[in-house]
Amino acid sequence: EAGVVQSPRYKIIEKKQPVAFWCNPISGHNTLYWYLQNLGQGPELLIRYENEEAVDDSQLPKDRFSAERLKGVDSTLKIQPAELGDSAVYLCASSLEIGRYDTGELFFGEGSRLTVL
Amino acid sequence: GDSVTQMEGPVTLSEEAFLTINCTYTATGYPSLFWYVQYPGEGLQLLLKATKADDKGSNKGFEATYRKETTSFHLEKGSVQVSDSAVYFCALTDYKLSFGAGTTVTVRA
Repeated sequence: EAGVVQSPRYKIIEKKQPVAFWCNPISGHNTLYWYLQNLGQGPELLIRYENEEAVDDSQLPKDRFSAERLKGVDSTLKIQPAELGDSAVYLCASSLEIGRYDTGELFFGEGSRLTVL
Repeated sequence: GDSVTQMEGPVTLSEEAFLTINCTYTATGYPSLFWYVQYPGEGLQLLLKATKADDKGSNKGFEATYRKETTSFHLEKGSVQVSDSAVYFCALTDYKLSFGAGTTVTVRA
């Protein structure tokens, strides 16, 4: 069974440029997450989808970040414009959740490492 | 809000040594507790979990016991191998999953 697939693995851009990350979750997983991981820190939730509905986007900086999961399967996270401080690893995860509470058993992709110059 | 605090690294050990990574939590309710591991070049994966007080989670020779009286969930392994070199994250969920900062472990042959 294929795991969570993310692309690109690495991206280098100049500040003020846009960037997009794509995630395909494990087949059948209804819940999809985007996390931000800064160097030396643990993952921090950006947004949580239950099917196509964003049920928790309270930590998503909406002035420059956006996300979509139009058909409740794959998802795209966009940053426009990127800033130097956005350099980090963007992790996607999926799970089979019942209700809107995390059971904690998430399956993560390998991440997309962004460098903003 | 709910949070975990874990031992700072990095930790460097010799093969067959005993490993302990400390983790304590702060929560208003009764969270479930987890250890996730990130091997070099791979994604985070769940190592073990415990859902209530006194539960012991175990996997791949690792163990952790949910201690409500000390609000702790320390990770232990009796004899580490080079292949255990990774970053280990303590995490909890009451309704939302929260991670600690991670502890880098390097095992030397």
